[in-house]
Amino acid sequence: EVLLTQSPGTLSLSPGERATLSCRASQSVISNYLAWYQQKPGQAPRLLISGASSRATGIPDRFSGSGSGTDFTLTISRLEPEDFAVYFCQQYGSSLAFGGGTKVELK
Amino acid sequence: QVQLQESGPGLVKPSETLSLTCTVSGGSISNYYWSWIRQPPGKGLEFLGYIYYTGATNYSPPLTGRATISVDTSKNQFSLKLSSVTAADTAVYYCARVGYCEGGSCYRPFDSWGQGTLVTVSS
Repeated sequence: EVLLTQSPGTLSLSPGERATLSCRASQSVISNYLAWYQQKPGQAPRLLISGASSRATGIPDRFSGSGSGTDFTLTISRLEPEDFAVYFCQQYGSSLAFGGGTKVELK
Repeated sequence: QVQLQESGPGLVKPSETLSLTCTVSGGSISNYYWSWIRQPPGKGLEFLGYIYYTGATNYSPPLTGRATISVDTSKNQFSLKLSSVTAADTAVYYCARVGYCEGGSCYRPFDSWGQGTLVTVSS
């Protein structure tokens, strides 16, 4: 069973700042089948990134994903007010697993 | 743009059956796989299983035997039934769309989700 560990648990930042979120897998993620989602209270989670680095349709280019193997990163280049939310990673493919999430909160 | 909406009772008694429906609007239920995912309070997300529009299903091993997912293409809906529930089944339940699944896993991300519905198991 693959475990995904996200860090930090909470990130306190101001609008305009850069956010760097980490997702580490206990085993190598085959074919970079790693996705990132944004979740806001009472709303449906939104797919941001698939294949570790491909932005989903309609996702602003301030969101970028990188990494391979066991270490992956979601970067938000300049935080907008609507970006304060919980972000979680997910492995798909041969097995399914979700990370515990990182909360990006207003400092 | 496809939208998903979960519906069903918010409170279920222990040992009874939890029943939820996901209504798909803005797109056809055909040619996609449809999943249920849950998140217990304070815990991470857990994949429960999926159904193809043809009716083929697969369940997460811990739920096999208790979970049943069905589809009604005429209503553009799919449903989850979870029997013999306990307090451990208390969670926010999400339905989601995925492009391709095979065996016990899915090979695409979940590209559309419902907003989730809280189900509490309590007497």
